[in-house]
Amino acid sequence: AQTVTQSQPEMSVQEAETVTLSCTYDTSESDYYLFWYKQPPSRQMILVIRQEAYKQQNATENRFSVNFQKAAKSFSLKISDSQLGDAAMYFCAYRSAYLNFGNEKLTFGTGTRLTIIP
Amino acid sequence: EAQVTQNPRYLITVTGKKLTVTCSQNMNHEYMSWYRQDPGLGLRQIYYSMNVEVTDKGDVPEGYKVSRKEKRNFPLILESPSPNQTSLYFCASSSPRIDETQYFGPGTRLLVL
Repeated sequence: AQTVTQSQPEMSVQEAETVTLSCTYDTSESDYYLFWYKQPPSRQMILVIRQEAYKQQNATENRFSVNFQKAAKSFSLKISDSQLGDAAMYFCAYRSAYLNFGNEKLTFGTGTRLTIIP
Repeated sequence: EAQVTQNPRYLITVTGKKLTVTCSQNMNHEYMSWYRQDPGLGLRQIYYSMNVEVTDKGDVPEGYKVSRKEKRNFPLILESPSPNQTSLYFCASSSPRIDETQYFGPGTRLLVL
């Protein structure tokens, strides 16, 4: 079974600075997807960025980018120019590319709470 | 607007009183799933459905039931709720043939006394 580990329960960053959230995962599969979801105080789960394992190029979405190290099974999220609206819980998630009995289950880490300091 | 809706958003109930949390999506997605979120545990899958009349257990199915009679709806049923089912519940949907991304509902916060 796959596992996802987020070793930083809490992080803080000064507004306009850059912060990196860590995520490692364990899998024996060669093809999969990785996601970062943001959960603001409203509790809504918002997709931030996703990465396909077969792509070597790191995904980017505006101020958000990832550092995907497949051999190390590491998938960190970098937030540049941090803004107050970035304050949230961030979850890393894994999904197999092989649909096991049709189950597209996301395996989540335990989350990192990010605080932005004005 | 493409969305996943859940009702109710907040619910306080007592042990043993049957309840249903509804989930509906307007994106014609085949796949739907329920997760629960607990502090320090992240989100864990309860049940999922590949399509109408096709459902199966996830990682934590005990105490829950689901049904998928229509493609757009996937209700979560707690026949006899217990305090350990106090949690934040999310419904999610996706279309595997089109997109790997799962779209989440706004969540339902449940308190069982």
